[in-house]
Parts: sequence; structure tokens; C-alpha cells
Amino acid sequence: DVKVTQSSRYLVKRTGEKVFLECVQDMDHENMFWYRQDPGLGLRLIYFSYDVKMKEKGDIPEGYSVSREKKERFSLILESASTNQTSMYLCASSAGALNYGYTFGSGTRLTVV
Amino acid sequence: KQEVTQIPAALSVPEGENLVLNCSFTDSAIYNLQWFRQDPGKGLTSLLLIQSSQREQTSGRLNASLDKSSGRSTLYIAASQPGDSATYLCAVRPDGNKLVFGAGTILRVKS
Repeated sequence: DVKVTQSSRYLVKRTGEKVFLECVQDMDHENMFWYRQDPGLGLRLIYFSYDVKMKEKGDIPEGYSVSREKKERFSLILESASTNQTSMYLCASSAGALNYGYTFGSGTRLTVV
Repeated sequence: KQEVTQIPAALSVPEGENLVLNCSFTDSAIYNLQWFRQDPGKGLTSLLLIQSSQREQTSGRLNASLDKSSGRSTLYIAASQPGDSATYLCAVRPDGNKLVFGAGTILRVKS
């Protein structure tokens, strides 16, 4: 089974800090995604990557950046954390072919104080 | 723009009941549809993936159907158990690499 691992389950950071959320997948998937999930707003796509060093903006990229230096790792960066970035962050991956499904990680609950 | 709607938003049933969760989407041009389960504070677990050419998929007590032309999918859970309590999310893959999610159905199975 594909495994998507997010490095932290819970994270508490201060306003203005630079925050790194790490995600690693072990099945050589081309595509990787970062979502945030908030009550009443559902899942919203922040960024995705379809290849190493490639990235595309999702629906809500403002205040975030990403890095994909290796195929298995996709990092989400909050350049200067703000309280409105308190959320559940979910990483996912999928193979390049369009008939494959997505596999999600267990999520990181980030609180910015 | 593709939109996904899940009905009902919440459902509470006694243990042992068979139940149906509904998902509808506005644009029938999809590659596949995926049902997920999410426990509180956790990530999404994939339950079933149905390709656009398929009509249904089964896994244990779960059966998902797809009627692409009418823009509908159902998730059937047989003999529900308290451990089935969770949020169930439906997502379609319309093009490229992005999924479009429904808001989910919160299921509670009472013992």
C-alpha cells in the first residue's frame, strides 16, 4: 500500500515564524498535493506538484510556498505564519495516470498563536 | 465549474441498519470518483475508487455505484456498526490532477 507520511501530527507555532510542513510518499508517485481543511469550508487545494521542481498554485496559495527537490518529498512553507493559517493540513499523492486515486497522509493540525 | 453535493449532511442510525449516502456532481466529464472516510482529527482514508467506465465497486460491506450520465454516486453500507461512525467524503476527478470534494456526510451509528 502507498504510504504518505506527514512529519508532525500537531504543531504549535508563533505568529511571524517560518513554518515547514513535510510530506513523504513511498510509491514513486508523480503528483503531490497540499490541502487545508477548515470547518464549513471543506478541503481547499493550496499547491500541487506533478514533477520534481515543478509546482502549480491551487485555489488558495496566498501566504504559502512549496518545495519539491526530490520526487518523494513535498514541503509546504508558511513564510510568516499568521493566526488565520491555523488549520488542518493534509498532504496527498497520486500516480501520474488519470485513472489512479489519491492517497492522503494522516494530517498535521497546526495552531498559530 | 464542477460542483459536488453530498446528501444528507448528517445521518444517525441504529447499529445493524443498511444505509445509503448520496453524492451528486454537476459535470459528467470525470475520470473517476473516489469515496473517502475521515475520522475526527485524522487524514482521509480511501474506501473505493470507481473509474468513469465502471458502474460499481465493492469492498467488504461497502458498495459504491456510479451513474456518470446523471451525475450521481451512492455509497451503500451494509449492516452498519458503531466503528463506521465517521465523515464520508466523495470526490470526483474532472480533469488534470485536481480532485473536487463534496462537503461530506457525518455518520453516527448508535449501539
